[in-house]
Amino acid sequence: NAGVTQTPKFRVLKTGQSMTLLCAQDMNHEYMYWYRQDPGMGLRLIHYSVGEGTTAKGEVPDGYNVSRLKKQNFLLGLESAAPSQTSVYFCASSFQTSWGHNEQFFGPGTRLTVL
Amino acid sequence: GENVGLHLPTLSVQEGDNSIINCAYSNSASDYFIWYKQESGKGPQFIIDIRSNMDKRQGQRVTVLLNKTVKHLSLQIAATQPGDSAVYFCAETFSGGYQKVTFGIGTKLQVIP
Repeated sequence: NAGVTQTPKFRVLKTGQSMTLLCAQDMNHEYMYWYRQDPGMGLRLIHYSVGEGTTAKGEVPDGYNVSRLKKQNFLLGLESAAPSQTSVYFCASSFQTSWGHNEQFFGPGTRLTVL
Repeated sequence: GENVGLHLPTLSVQEGDNSIINCAYSNSASDYFIWYKQESGKGPQFIIDIRSNMDKRQGQRVTVLLNKTVKHLSLQIAATQPGDSAVYFCAETFSGGYQKVTFGIGTKLQVIP
């Protein structure tokens, strides 16, 4: 199993450009997440999905959109990139443990720089 | 990734010694806690978890201690190895369906050979 994969690994954008980050998981997990990680801050949730066809806003959703057309894929879109969106983006998927909690598995990350 | 470690507290430990990494969590109602390890350029990796009805849980070379009175978690790594060098952070959440996970900033562990 590949687990959680993300493409691309690196990207440089100019302000105003758009792009889509792709996340794929082969573990048949229901829940998927997009986080951003910035220096000196914990992971912050952008959007999440509790199943195919459903999405919801997280902590920092502004400037991002998501889609979950297939259970295994979760796409993160930046409509008009801004320098403040320079960050490392992590996708995660999770299953519910026997304790009733969600154990998350993370992808390797996408480093995005917006000039 | 490597930029995550720039503003983090750092713990330097001699190879073979034990490491103790601490975390203060924010919500007294949280009932599930996780420790993650993040190596440079990689995504976070689950290490060990603990529920709020437990004080201690042991894994392979790692032990997590939970003190609910002072909202404190610690991760103990026995016989620290160079491969343990990474950023470690804790997370807190709740049981039942989707629940928000709050992640700590992390501590950078440097193992001195």
